Amino acid sequence: GENVEQHPSTLSVQEGDSAVIKCTYSDSASNYFPWYKQELGKRPQLIIDIRSNVGEKKDQRIAVTLNKTAKHFSLHITETQPEDSAVYFCAASITGNQFYFGTGTSLTVIP
Amino acid sequence: GAGVSQSPSNKVTEKGKDVELRCDPISGHTALYWYRQSLGQGLEFLIYFQGNSAPDKSGLPSDRFSAERTGGSVSTLTIQRTQQEDSAVYLCASSLDRKETQYFGPGTRLLVL
Repeated sequence: GENVEQHPSTLSVQEGDSAVIKCTYSDSASNYFPWYKQELGKRPQLIIDIRSNVGEKKDQRIAVTLNKTAKHFSLHITETQPEDSAVYFCAASITGNQFYFGTGTSLTVIP
Repeated sequence: GAGVSQSPSNKVTEKGKDVELRCDPISGHTALYWYRQSLGQGLEFLIYFQGNSAPDKSGLPSDRFSAERTGGSVSTLTIQRTQQEDSAVYLCASSLDRKETQYFGPGTRLLVL
């Protein structure tokens, strides 16, 4: 089955700096890659997703890039703010059947 | 509109007892997913439904776990003869179609003593 690895497990950045979280996947058939943000004690919420027919997608301060050849995808957050502090999860899926999640990255933005 | 809801929000049970967890998806969402999240860990996929059918049950940890969905809406996850290692947050998510965005419920926090 699919195996998703996520790095780093923890990340601290100064407010205003950029944060990058990377994930790799093993199954080349995976074609949908969502990213979720989970604040302490709350449910995961989708922040951005990308499908395998595009290489990059951007939404304001958040962007995701996908390299199908290397089987990795990354989340980029620019101009980080304290409210960006949370655990971020990547996931990979084959047409929405099973979803395989990374182990999460705990991001702390230091004011 | 109403989001995904789950009940109970918290459940404490004794080892060996059966528990039933409920998920009410967003109205009209055909796909429904169950996940397990242990403390400080990622999300472990358990099972998904497309309508009332569960095409792949291989994510269920053991035969003590079962799930069903009726009327293409409410789903229940049943854990029989609970063990302490079953303690976790059980999250449900639904999506309009399995290719669309998943929306998560608040989860059920299960503690097996």
